[in-house]
Amino acid sequence: GEDVEQSLFLSVREGDSSVINCTYTDSSSTYLYWYKQEPGAGLQLLTYIFSNMDMKQDQRLTVLLNKKDKHLSLRIADTQTGDSAIYFCAEDNFNKFYFGSGTKLNVKP
Amino acid sequence: DADVTQTPRNRITKTGKRIMLECSQTKGHDRMYWYRQDPGLGLRLIYYSFDVKDINKGEISDGYSVSRQAQAKFSLSLESAIPNQTALYFCATSDQTGPTGELFFGEGSRLTVL
Repeated sequence: GEDVEQSLFLSVREGDSSVINCTYTDSSSTYLYWYKQEPGAGLQLLTYIFSNMDMKQDQRLTVLLNKKDKHLSLRIADTQTGDSAIYFCAEDNFNKFYFGSGTKLNVKP
Repeated sequence: DADVTQTPRNRITKTGKRIMLECSQTKGHDRMYWYRQDPGLGLRLIYYSFDVKDINKGEISDGYSVSRQAQAKFSLSLESAIPNQTALYFCATSDQTGPTGELFFGEGSRLTVL
């Protein structure tokens, strides 16, 4: 399968920005994704970026894509306690989706 | 009601037993997937199916089999369960006509093999 790598943990204070990083291997992916998993639930799509874009902003979320380095990041501005969850990056390979290990975001009040 | 429903939600079984996890969806999607989630390893693809007559192995298909009974139903079987198959299993669907290929997940089936 494809290698998609993320750090496992991130801890921030409420109101700070969070940055979650991801590296991937498949340069042919059309889209790259960020999914969010809340406790006891399945994953839900948070945002995505088309591979020919460098940046996408969606309210508090900013996705940056560096295709040369195969690096994807998710920035959450003004992080809230409700943002505490596991965040997965994913790439698609002909509609087979490969996920990273997930980054557990802990937001301290 | 959930669009992607998995049963059972929790199951404890013994080594050597046959287990079936079922998934049904009301989204009308052709594409269905089975993943397992292990702490620190993320989600790994077990099997996927792009339509009723199409079944494909994923990254970690050994020890598993699947059946696509209808467009809406995709079952995962463990013929002889072993302890390292203890994990959280997710079924997902996607719409090939959508622009992003977004996956829609069930709530997961937690399997413990003793």
